[in-house]
Amino acid sequence: QKEVEQDPGPLSVPEGAIVSLNCTYSNSAFQYFMWYRQYSRKGPELLMYTYSSGNKEDGRFTAQVDKSSKYISLFIRDSQPSDSATYLCAMNGYGKLTFGQGTILTVHP
Amino acid sequence: EPEVTQTPSHQVTQMGQEVILRCVPISNHLYFYWYRQILGQKVEFLVSFYNNEISEKSEIFDDQFSVERPDGSNFTLKIRSTKLEDSAMYFCASSAGGLNTEAFFGQGTRLTVV
Repeated sequence: QKEVEQDPGPLSVPEGAIVSLNCTYSNSAFQYFMWYRQYSRKGPELLMYTYSSGNKEDGRFTAQVDKSSKYISLFIRDSQPSDSATYLCAMNGYGKLTFGQGTILTVHP
Repeated sequence: EPEVTQTPSHQVTQMGQEVILRCVPISNHLYFYWYRQILGQKVEFLVSFYNNEISEKSEIFDDQFSVERPDGSNFTLKIRSTKLEDSAMYFCASSAGGLNTEAFFGQGTRLTVV
């Protein structure tokens, strides 16, 4: 079983839709959970950073962690064409990040 | 806003040649990392560096790789004898603390080995 699993998509939604992106993980040692956004051939840009189970909101983005189910989510409200990118979940349990495959998201006008 | 800076943005090298990829981490950060991403694949951890020594490395980071912090601002990754399979995007990252702080990434160096 892979340590971090993420559906690569691609996911295509109309502008204004609510987007749900998810990752599952197998390693209970992961304690810190991050979502990065990556544009083509660019570096990952940190969007959200959470610790422990619960929700964290930042503008149109909400990160959710359920440690009992080993499941994390990122919700994007009122999605915009500029949100089109690859979204990477990442987890930190040993001082290094373990990434998911990334989900390719396209928001079309 | 502080950022991690990497140079060059693109490096083409012949197989067997040595390359040095350079990074300037965020100035007050203490932990430094190299990751790589082969085209179409996951971002993979290579090495972490703290207090002038390697704190952890992956199985990818074999004897062909080395890291150095030659001065107070730069952090370098050297590949001694490049192979075709070393072609990838290499990302430098830094964080203020270790486990429980956010890591910020540079824009990457695209290494092409021919």
